[in-house]
Amino acid sequence: GNSVTQMEGPVTLSEEAFLTINCTYTATGYPSLFWYVQYPGEGLQLLLKATKADDKGSNKGFEATYRKETTSFHLEKGSVQVSDSAVYFCALQPGYGQNFVFGPGTRLSVLP
Amino acid sequence: DTGVSQDPRHKITKRGQNVTFRCDPISEHNRLYWYRQTLGQGPEFLTYFQNEAQLEKSRLLSDRFSAERPKGSFSTLEIQRTEQGDSAMYLCASSLSAGVSTDTQYFGPGTRLTVL
Repeated sequence: GNSVTQMEGPVTLSEEAFLTINCTYTATGYPSLFWYVQYPGEGLQLLLKATKADDKGSNKGFEATYRKETTSFHLEKGSVQVSDSAVYFCALQPGYGQNFVFGPGTRLSVLP
Repeated sequence: DTGVSQDPRHKITKRGQNVTFRCDPISEHNRLYWYRQTLGQGPEFLTYFQNEAQLEKSRLLSDRFSAERPKGSFSTLEIQRTEQGDSAMYLCASSLSAGVSTDTQYFGPGTRLTVL
């Protein structure tokens, strides 16, 4: 079946620290991979995506590379800000038009 | 384009009552999805529509749940005889399927249901 595993949170960092949130997946076929972010009291927002192996998604200083050989899509940011405090969800879409499968989310807290 | 909207944002009900939620997708999006999110978990798929046709339902969607999208625009999700275990955030998402590229799903703010 299809599943997504994320590193457990919460993750607490100081401002300007380097961020990595690990995400690995299990899927049949060739899924598309996504990172969504959920700020307090808000809905999920698409952060970045990658649709095939070796693609790199990037947005707002965040990056993630689709690694088929390690079935991973780790989220990274070189210098986090307090405003990045949120819950981050890794997700896969097994095939075009199919429903998403989400990981459990990782809560990030960035301290000033 | 105002994004996906959901109504109400919050609903408190007593066990055994029926509730109905509404989702208005991004205009011209032909796909609409419903998910459920419980505290500390990621969203779980419930069902989805392409235009007015309901194409897939999760085994999570018991027979107390029903969803409609009568004109291929807005959708409603009804829960009959609510139970405390139905307490969750109900999320709606929409996407535009065009060609073979990934159809990114855009989420609404959700409806938080509390069953007392």
